[in-house]
Amino acid sequence: NAGVTQTPKFQVLKTGQSMTLQCAQDMNHNSMYWYRQDPGMGLRLIYYSASEGTTDKGEVPNGYNVSRLNKREFSLRLESAAPSQTSVYFCASSESRGQGAETQYFGPGTRLLVL
Amino acid sequence: GDSVTQMEGPVTLSEEACLTINCTYTATGYPSLFWYVQYPGEGLQLLLKATKADDKGSNKGFEATYRKETTSFHLEKGSVQVSDSAVYFCALFSGGYNKLIFGAGTRLAVHP
Repeated sequence: NAGVTQTPKFQVLKTGQSMTLQCAQDMNHNSMYWYRQDPGMGLRLIYYSASEGTTDKGEVPNGYNVSRLNKREFSLRLESAAPSQTSVYFCASSESRGQGAETQYFGPGTRLLVL
Repeated sequence: GDSVTQMEGPVTLSEEACLTINCTYTATGYPSLFWYVQYPGEGLQLLLKATKADDKGSNKGFEATYRKETTSFHLEKGSVQVSDSAVYFCALFSGGYNKLIFGAGTRLAVHP
């Protein structure tokens, strides 16, 4: 049982390049999330998917797109990377549909540097 | 909107010292409250939570009590260990926004 896995662990991009961050969970969770972590700002929600086939914007969606490929996988795409997107990206999942006091389980993160 | 404020770090302590990390929140209604911990090089993991006023969450010697009157959820531990060195995040679940809202995080460094 691997929990939440993310690839790659680290990536360097040039401004304007595109890339996709991959996330998968093996806990049969319905809800999945993408966050970014920046110094002094905690974690901010980029997009989330309450269930397979649905996605919704979070707090900071601009410059990103997501795909809920199936129940296990939730990818985050940067179409044209900008230096402001330099950050650590975390994927998370939770059992139900994002309601109440449920626990979110986090992956190990992807460190992205945009030059 | 809903928000979480926690004390700035870093907090530096000697092993076996007492720890308090302050956390206060602003929210409509009665949110659920959480402490997450991030060890070096890892993702966040749930440390403890409380879902209603006066609830006490506890785990691994850490405790926090949901205080509605002071809108606080301070994290405490009586005797810290070097292995407790990590970043601690206070968070609330916002029913209005249907999402977790995190504080900025507090880095704890414990020295032998």
